Amino acid sequence: DVKVTQSSRYLVKRTGEKVFLECVQDMDHENMFWYRQDPGLGLRLIYFSYDVKMKEKGDIPEGYSVSREKKERFSLILESASTNQTSMYLCASSPGLTFGEQYFGPGTRLTVT
Amino acid sequence: GQQLNQSPQSMFIQEGEDVSMNCTSSSIFNTWLWYKQDPGEGPVLLIALYKAGELTSNGRLTAQFGITRKDSFLNISASIPSDVGIYFCAGLGDDMRFGAGTRLTVKP
Repeated sequence: DVKVTQSSRYLVKRTGEKVFLECVQDMDHENMFWYRQDPGLGLRLIYFSYDVKMKEKGDIPEGYSVSREKKERFSLILESASTNQTSMYLCASSPGLTFGEQYFGPGTRLTVT
Repeated sequence: GQQLNQSPQSMFIQEGEDVSMNCTSSSIFNTWLWYKQDPGEGPVLLIALYKAGELTSNGRLTAQFGITRKDSFLNISASIPSDVGIYFCAGLGDDMRFGAGTRLTVKP
C-alpha cells in the first residue's frame, strides 16, 4: 500500500510566523503535490514537483513556497502565515505521468490566528 | 483553473438506498478518478476509469466514464452507515481538476 504521511495533523500558528509542512511518501513516486482544501471550493493545487529539486506552480502559489531535496520528501513553506491561509492542507504523490492517480496523506489542519 | 461541476452537493439517504452522483466538465479528460474522504482524513482513491464508455465496479460502487469524455458518474448500491463521507471526482488531462464534492449522510 502506498503510504503518504504528513508531519502534523493539527497546527496552530500566529500571523507572521514561518510555517513548515512536511510530507513523506514511501513508494518511490516521482511526483508530489500540495493542495489546500476549503469548504465549497474543493481541492486547489498550490505547487507540485515531478523530480528532486524541480517545482512547478499550481493554481494558487502566492504566499507559499516548496522544497524537494529528496525524492520521498516534499515540504510546503508559508513564509509569513496569514489568517486567510487557515485551511486543510493535503499532500499527494503519484507515479509515472505527472498528473496520474494521486494518493493522499491524512491532511494537516492549519489554523492561523 | 476551472474546477469540475459535481452534483449533488449533499445527500441525505436512508440505509439501504442507492446513491447516484455525477461530474461534468466543458473539457475533455483522459482519466476520471473517484475519491472518498472521511471526516478529518485524506481522500482515498475508490475507482479509476481510463476509457470513454468504461464501466467499472468496486464492491457496491460502480462508476462510468462518459462517452463524450466530459462526464462521469458514481453509483453506490445498498448504502450502509460507513458510506458516510465526502465523495469527489477528479478529471485528468493536461492537468488535474477536482469536483467540490458530494457530502453523503446515511441514516440508519
